[in-house]
Amino acid sequence: GENVEQHPSTLSVQEGDSAVIKCTYSDSASNYFPWYKQELGKRPQLIIDIRSNVGEKKDQRIAVTLNKTAKHFSLHITETQPEDSAVYFCAASKGSSYKLIFGSGTRLLVRP
Amino acid sequence: EADIYQTPRYLVIGTGKKITLECSQTMGHDKMYWYQQDPGMELHLIHYSYGVNSTEKGDLSSESTVSRIRTEHFPLTLESARPSHTSQYLCASSEGDRAQETQYFGPGTRLLVL
Repeated sequence: GENVEQHPSTLSVQEGDSAVIKCTYSDSASNYFPWYKQELGKRPQLIIDIRSNVGEKKDQRIAVTLNKTAKHFSLHITETQPEDSAVYFCAASKGSSYKLIFGSGTRLLVRP
Repeated sequence: EADIYQTPRYLVIGTGKKITLECSQTMGHDKMYWYQQDPGMELHLIHYSYGVNSTEKGDLSSESTVSRIRTEHFPLTLESARPSHTSQYLCASSEGDRAQETQYFGPGTRLLVL
């Protein structure tokens, strides 16, 4: 069945450095790719999303890139801050449906 | 304030009990979802609904059932709770069209079955 693979599972960076999280998906019909941030004990919150007709999207320190040919997309966080520490999940739509398939998550730790 | 509400937030219950997890949204969204998530792990879709009287099973097999009698309400029921049901259950909702398909999550219910 369709799946989304996410790497790395844990990532530790120094404050001010960049962090990159990568995901690959298997369903060539997927057309919507959101990223969620989940802080400890909190609900997942959308931080950025991208559609299949766009290759890159940026929002302040956060950017997402999409390579449809290779079926992978990445989250880039620049100038990381301690408050960026959380678990980040990528997701891909199941085909063109409204259902999402989530990756296994990346635990990001930003060291002060 | 428009939001998604889940009750109870925490539930400890014995094996064999029937439980209902409540989810309500004041977002005016058509679509609603239930996910199961072990702490810090990936989210698995167990049920979804695209509107009133519409319910479908998700990708993860679940012994729970759902109903959607009102747009804003999407309760999940376990007829006979078991320790294997111990997990966090997250409810989510989204708009009805492609331009606004972001899923918004509720705060979750942490269930412990003894």
